[in-house]
Amino acid sequence: DVKVTQSSRYLVKRTGEKVFLECVQDMDHENMFWYRQDPGLGLRLIYFSYDVKMKEKGDIPEGYSVSREKKERFSLILESASTNQTSMYLCASTQPGAGRGYEQYFGPGTRLTVT
Amino acid sequence: GQNIDQPTEMTATEGAIVQINCTYQTSGFNGLFWYQQHAGEAPTFLSYNVLDGLEEKGRFSSFLSRSKGYSYLLLKELQMKDSASYLCAVRGRDSSYKLIFGSGTRLLVRP
Repeated sequence: DVKVTQSSRYLVKRTGEKVFLECVQDMDHENMFWYRQDPGLGLRLIYFSYDVKMKEKGDIPEGYSVSREKKERFSLILESASTNQTSMYLCASTQPGAGRGYEQYFGPGTRLTVT
Repeated sequence: GQNIDQPTEMTATEGAIVQINCTYQTSGFNGLFWYQQHAGEAPTFLSYNVLDGLEEKGRFSSFLSRSKGYSYLLLKELQMKDSASYLCAVRGRDSSYKLIFGSGTRLLVRP
């Protein structure tokens, strides 16, 4: 069974704080993704990584950065948290390839509240 | 631009059949996924279509028409536990294996 874990289920931070969200997958997947999920907007891609130390911006990268020092771990960093970053954050991983079985596997999510 | 549309909410009765539609306009196509997401939980994979036609998997089936940019998820013999959000997602034709998600359809199953 693929397992994707995230460091916290719930997190409350103050405006201006630096926030780290960690994601770990145990299936040796090459590709990892960070999304945020907001009501009515669905999942929106923040950043993704297709290899160690490689990263690319998604659709809404502003205010975020990422780090991938090891294949199994992908971190999302909020440099200076703001209230509009209050959201559910979901990490996912997949192995490159086409066809059945190359779906993305999701972690349980971190519900971040910025006050 | 890239766009995926699905109804926001649907209601159905336990034991019935429900069809959740998804239309998409994306730059390139390399497969369509359906995910189920219960409130407060992670999305879990339900189905994958890359060729036209129907894929059946127990009580759940998914259909794809690439020429029409259209898919549906069919849920039969509805159970209360099927109350969840259903997310339609398209993989574009690039090397990143990114998914573009619709906003999701919240399904409420009533007794």
